[in-house]
Amino acid sequence: NAGVTQTPKFRVLKTGQSMTLLCAQDMNHEYMYWYRQDPGMGLRLIHYSVGEGTTAKGEVPDGYNVSRLKKQNFLLGLESAAPSQTSVYFCASSSRRSYGYTFGSGTRLTVV
Amino acid sequence: DQQVKQNSPSLSVQEGRISILNCDYTNSMFDYFLWYKKYPAEGPTFLISISSIKDKNEDGRFTVFLNKSAKHLSLHIVPSQPGDSAVYFCAASAGSQGNLIFGKGTKLSVKP
Repeated sequence: NAGVTQTPKFRVLKTGQSMTLLCAQDMNHEYMYWYRQDPGMGLRLIHYSVGEGTTAKGEVPDGYNVSRLKKQNFLLGLESAAPSQTSVYFCASSSRRSYGYTFGSGTRLTVV
Repeated sequence: DQQVKQNSPSLSVQEGRISILNCDYTNSMFDYFLWYKKYPAEGPTFLISISSIKDKNEDGRFTVFLNKSAKHLSLHIVPSQPGDSAVYFCAASAGSQGNLIFGKGTKLSVKP
């Protein structure tokens, strides 16, 4: 049972480049989330989804887009990467919205 | 503006002693509280939780205390072990439709 899988684990981008981070879960969870973790800032919610085909903005959504075309996948896109988006990105999923989150191991993104 | 506050960025404790991690919140609608533990290069993992109808929840060496009147919760680890060295995040949610809100984390170091 893999749980939540994030790809890639590491990536270096140049300013202005685009990329997509993939999150896949095999627990049949309805809810999925993208967080970013920065030093001294904790975990901040970027976007989330309450079911297949739905997405919603979190605390820090600017510069990111998401899609949930399939229940098991939640994609996070950066259209034009900026150095301020250098961070560690975590995906999570849950069967209840308010607890029971399972996190992936993270994607470390550096934008130069 | 921060709804969940962990005011101590770090804590150092001797092995065998008690570790006490603190968390304050401002939103009186929060009714479920959780602690997550995070090792370097891994995603956060669920540790222990407490509902607002309780004031204490215990799981082995870990106990969470909730003081609703003070809007304060704490995590006690007794006895502390070197393997407990990690970053601990406090999180809270309001109702069944509320996303988890995380604090900034406290880095615990348990010295042998």
